[in-house]
Amino acid sequence: KAGVTQTPRYLIKTRGQQVTLSCSPISGHRSVSWYQQTPGQGLQFLFEYFSETQRNKGNFPGRFSGRQFSNSRSEMNVSTLELGDSALYLCASSLRTGRSGELFFGEGSRLTVL
Amino acid sequence: DAKTTQPNSMESNEEEPVHLPCNHSTISGTDYIHWYRQLPSQGPEYVIHGLTSNVNNRMASLAIAEDRKSSTLILHRATLRDAAVYYCILRDVNNNNDMRFGAGTRLTVKP
Repeated sequence: KAGVTQTPRYLIKTRGQQVTLSCSPISGHRSVSWYQQTPGQGLQFLFEYFSETQRNKGNFPGRFSGRQFSNSRSEMNVSTLELGDSALYLCASSLRTGRSGELFFGEGSRLTVL
Repeated sequence: DAKTTQPNSMESNEEEPVHLPCNHSTISGTDYIHWYRQLPSQGPEYVIHGLTSNVNNRMASLAIAEDRKSSTLILHRATLRDAAVYYCILRDVNNNNDMRFGAGTRLTVKP
């Protein structure tokens, strides 16, 4: 069974640009959530999608957005990049939302903003 | 939001048991206690979770205090592969997958 796949694994952007990251969840998983990990702030929740609907959102500015497609694949977009957006962006999938089961994380997309 | 408190770091010798503590004094009745770990250059990996009773799986055991204000993750025989950052997280079953990760405990395993 394939795990959570995130693309690209590494990317470099400059300030002011935008970036789109992709996440393919485990087959059959309908919930996808996104996290940002930085050395200073640790792992922070961005948002969660279930059945193409955003179910929950963390405390991030509107420059951070996401969406989920009918096949459960998800993308997140960051517009007008800032140096502080440099981070590892992690995607996690689970069977359902609002349950106590485990999340399966991908290996992340490491974004560097110059 | 309920918070957890963990030691910043712990050391263990290989093949010895490891007890990783977590305090969550403001836990609510609908909070599950989850443990994840993150190995270097990887995403977090699920370890175990529980609500009130102690739990065992192939990776670890979770001991939950009777008042649920603290818990302990037990690795019965630490291996070098267990060196990771361990996160204790409270997950409100009513709040979807918004899991609030703390700084975690960095476990070092010495051969």
